[in-house]
Amino acid sequence: DTGVSQNPRHKITKRGQNVTFRCDPISEHNRLYWYRQTLGQGPEFLTYFQNEAQLEKSRLLSDRFSAERPKGSFSTLEIQRTEQGDSAMYLCASSLGTGGNTIYFGEGSWLTVV
Amino acid sequence: QKEVEQNSGPLSVPEGAIASLNCTYSDRGSQSFFWYRQYSGKSPELIMFIYSNGDKEDGRFTAQLNKASQYVSLLIRDSQPSDSATYLCAVPFRDDKIIFGKGTRLHILP
Repeated sequence: DTGVSQNPRHKITKRGQNVTFRCDPISEHNRLYWYRQTLGQGPEFLTYFQNEAQLEKSRLLSDRFSAERPKGSFSTLEIQRTEQGDSAMYLCASSLGTGGNTIYFGEGSWLTVV
Repeated sequence: QKEVEQNSGPLSVPEGAIASLNCTYSDRGSQSFFWYRQYSGKSPELIMFIYSNGDKEDGRFTAQLNKASQYVSLLIRDSQPSDSATYLCAVPFRDDKIIFGKGTRLHILP
């Protein structure tokens, strides 16, 4: 059973460019989360999916951020018109069942906006 | 009140001593609670979960839960230098989406 896979692991982009991250959850995990983490902070909730349905998007999240999980398997997180404040590690996690179950993280995708 | 609160530390503990990490949460309806360990530059990894009031032990780790006080803690016995990391408390908000605290940095002194 492979773990959660995230790509790319590292991305350096110029301010104003768009970036997309992909997450492949653990097979058969129906719930998928995206978090953002900056230095010295805990993972900040961005959004989550139950199968292909996006259940919630953080109200702190700019409209420049969008996430999809079109067939209830892999997910993408796109950031449009990147800003330096978007520099962070973007973490994907998945779990089986509904809320309250253990979530398992991927290795994260590091974004640096220059 | 923030949803999940932790003392950011750093917490310095001599090698071989007991490290005690604390977490409070705001949602009285939460039923499960998780502790993750995160090494610098790495993603979080699960070390313990607890559902019921009281203590749960797993090797050198003990999780303690008091739902009435909305408080969960993690004890690490016989602390080792390899335990130096950030420890994250995670709670399903409204028993659904999982919210993390800011984490407590633990430093084990050799």
